[in-house]
Amino acid sequence: AQRVTQPEKLLSVFKGAPVELKCNYSYSGSPELFWYVQYSRQRLQLLLRHISRESIKGFTADLNKGETSFHLKKPFAQEEDSAMYYCALRDISSGSARQLTFGSGTQLTVLP
Amino acid sequence: GAGVSQSPSNKVTEKGKDVELRCDPISGHTALYWYRQSLGQGLEFLIYFQGNSAPDKSGLPSDRFSAERTGGSVSTLTIQRTQQEDSAVYLCASSPRGSYNSPLHFGNGTRLTVT
Repeated sequence: AQRVTQPEKLLSVFKGAPVELKCNYSYSGSPELFWYVQYSRQRLQLLLRHISRESIKGFTADLNKGETSFHLKKPFAQEEDSAMYYCALRDISSGSARQLTFGSGTQLTVLP
Repeated sequence: GAGVSQSPSNKVTEKGKDVELRCDPISGHTALYWYRQSLGQGLEFLIYFQGNSAPDKSGLPSDRFSAERTGGSVSTLTIQRTQQEDSAVYLCASSPRGSYNSPLHFGNGTRLTVT
């Protein structure tokens, strides 16, 4: 069964400091990884996905198949980055390809 | 343009009562998902609809939970004989198609409180 682990429920950093939100996964096929974000009083929305290899709002995430990780990183955190971040996996080779499996989320707080 | 719309935004009900939660997906989106968001538990998959195919109900936690999607558009999640552990935020999401590279568009959710 596929599983996504986000070991940190809460993470606080100061403005301008680097930030890394950890995500590890287990899978039995070919995974596609995503990061979703939920800002205060807003709906959950897609931040980025590994196949796009993009940088959104200064965030990047690299899929490391050897370590089965997909950590989210930003070199200089901003106060507006404060939000709940969810890592998600879709196993595109299995019959459950239609659903995303989410981690339990990390609440990031960027302090002034 | 309109996003995914869910109603009601908040629902307080007594234990043992039935509740219905509604989701209006983005027009043209063929895939529709229900998730449950509990404090500290992340998002739990409940059910998935794709076009006219049989729904994937593998995430429904008990037979008290059911969902339907009429006309390939609006969906209703029904919880019968609610229990306190059903208290959570119920999120609906839709996507243009159910393939692996379609991002999900979420609604604002319905916060259900069972007293």
